[in-house]
Amino acid sequence: DARVTQTPRHKVTEMGQEVTMRCQPILGHNTVFWYRQTMMQGLELLAYFRNRAPLDDSGMPKDRFSAEMPDATLATLKIQPSEPRDSAVYFCASGRPNRGLDEKLFFGSGTQLSVL
Amino acid sequence: DQQVKQNSPSLSVQEGRISILNCDYTNSMFDYFLWYKKYPAEGPTFLISISSIKDKNEDGRFTVFLNKSAKHLSLHIVPSQPGDSAVYFCAASGWSSNYKLTFGKGTLLTVNP
Repeated sequence: DARVTQTPRHKVTEMGQEVTMRCQPILGHNTVFWYRQTMMQGLELLAYFRNRAPLDDSGMPKDRFSAEMPDATLATLKIQPSEPRDSAVYFCASGRPNRGLDEKLFFGSGTQLSVL
Repeated sequence: DQQVKQNSPSLSVQEGRISILNCDYTNSMFDYFLWYKKYPAEGPTFLISISSIKDKNEDGRFTVFLNKSAKHLSLHIVPSQPGDSAVYFCAASGWSSNYKLTFGKGTLLTVNP
């Protein structure tokens, strides 16, 4: 049963530390998204890639966040330095959109990040 | 600027009754709409979708209605079951946004036995 795999599931760190979250998209999916869920903003888009190329990272604080896809099986989201306001659940999602036919995304279980 | 709005943070219904979740959007370029369901400590899972060329799509107990002129869609669950209790997210995309899904803030549905 194909699924998006995210690691770690939980991360507790101190302010100022670097945090790296990893995502393995479903094999064959060419589009990968990073979303952040907070109580106030719901699911907000941070960045997304098509065929490993970044398409939009306008939702991401550029000074501390970075997203990459070193290969088709791995996407990473880094925060350096982390701050308490970064505490949230971070979701990775993948898909293979075909306009109007199948634009749904499959989500991982998320990384629960707590920055103290 | 919220382009997809779910104005009801929560909804409570009795088992067996109909649940109606609402969603409004502002971007007229959106042409594909989806509903996702999310349980605690899990990622959102796809529930049902609708293209802008339709005004209704049905899948078992779930029906999505789209009113393009009002920029409004709704999800009907009939009959509601306790296992339907979850957060429901409305999402929209369009060719102009390059398949980027924009989500609402979600509605917590509680189905009481």
